Amino acid sequence: EAQVTQNPRYLITVTGKKLTVTCSQNMNHEYMSWYRQDPGLGLRQIYYSMNVEVTDKGDVPEGYKVSRKEKRNFPLILESPSPNQTSLYFCATGDRAYGYTFGSGTRLTVV
Amino acid sequence: DQQVKQNSPSLSVQEGRISILNCDYTNSMFDYFLWYKKYPAEGPTFLISISSIKDKNEDGRFTVFLNKSAKHLSLHIVPSQPGDSAVYFCAASPIFQGAQKLVFGQGTRLTINP
Repeated sequence: EAQVTQNPRYLITVTGKKLTVTCSQNMNHEYMSWYRQDPGLGLRQIYYSMNVEVTDKGDVPEGYKVSRKEKRNFPLILESPSPNQTSLYFCATGDRAYGYTFGSGTRLTVV
Repeated sequence: DQQVKQNSPSLSVQEGRISILNCDYTNSMFDYFLWYKKYPAEGPTFLISISSIKDKNEDGRFTVFLNKSAKHLSLHIVPSQPGDSAVYFCAASPIFQGAQKLVFGQGTRLTINP
């Protein structure tokens, strides 16, 4: 079954404590991306990757890092989380011609 | 600068009737448009898409219309069913950046009433 797996699903953390949200896909897609969803703003792209070792900033990259060392994994790293990064995060993969497949989401709360 | 706008935060429709969700965009470089459906506690799921070379695409109960001159697209659901109650996002993809970037609207919450 084609899947995009995100972990954890829920996370509460404190300001400044580094965290990583993992994303893994089993569809062998080259493209992967991270989005955050906030009320009234829809989904906004944080970072994307066109292939292994190829990443680029999306629309809201500040405060985030990513890496793409292997095709299936695309972790999102918050080096020093702040309360304004409290959000619902989604990882996606695929191709626009066939629609993208999204993970189930990670709800992050930074206190 | 919201390049993709869904101006109706919510829409309520009676079961069996037509649901029409609207989306406007400002960037003329967008050449591919998609609609996603999202239930609570789940990721968005792809519904239907349309290329800018077309003005209509149909898939079962779902039809997307594109009016390039007005920079407007709409999603029609006929007939509406209770399971259609969800948040709907339109998204647009520009011709550059490897044609893989998606810009989303704010979403419209559709409620189908029995």
